[in-house]
Amino acid sequence: QKEVEQDPGPLSVPEGAIVSLNCTYSNSAFQYFMWYRQYSRKGPELLMYTYSSGNKEDGRFTAQVDKSSKYISLFIRDSQPSDSATYLCAMSSPLNAGGTSYGKLTFGQGTILTVHP
Amino acid sequence: GAVVSQHPSWVICKSGTSVKIECRSLDFQATTMFWYRQFPKQSLMLMATSNEGSKATYEQGVEKDKFLINHASLTLSTLTVTSAHPEDSSFYICSAVGLAGVEQFFGPGTRLTVL
Repeated sequence: QKEVEQDPGPLSVPEGAIVSLNCTYSNSAFQYFMWYRQYSRKGPELLMYTYSSGNKEDGRFTAQVDKSSKYISLFIRDSQPSDSATYLCAMSSPLNAGGTSYGKLTFGQGTILTVHP
Repeated sequence: GAVVSQHPSWVICKSGTSVKIECRSLDFQATTMFWYRQFPKQSLMLMATSNEGSKATYEQGVEKDKFLINHASLTLSTLTVTSAHPEDSSFYICSAVGLAGVEQFFGPGTRLTVL
């Protein structure tokens, strides 16, 4: 079983739809949860990151973390064709007891999203 | 946001030659840099973790003699693919972590094609 599971899709939605992207994980040590967007032949771009459980909103994007269920989500409201990309969830755990340093990211497989006009 | 650059963005080389890829953090000091490899339609595969002034830590299955990593300063890490072969053709991406130690910022990637 992979540490992080993400439905690869592909996911195709009409413009204006609400998009829900999800990941599950098995490692309870993960404390930081990130969402990256990657366009074709480009490096990943950090969209949002959250610490521990809860919600975080940034414009049209909302990230949710439920540590009790080991489940994270990214919602995109009023989706646009420019949102068409691969979305990657990623997680990290602290390297030290104080939680001041974090190590490598563990990525999901990525979900390919297409928003058609 | 923090900016990470990579050079070159695209390189074609003959089999048996060595290729060096540079990764720079442009507006912050990176205590740690990571090197990834990505195949088409797949997620990122971590190759190694690089800390300034110390030897890189390689992931299991990654040949350290083939993929040489040097992290000479807080803003520069290099990956050298030695004696490249066609199976080394891939998209190589670096990332950098700032002093805050949480957010990873990725470079634009380098596409390597070995003929």
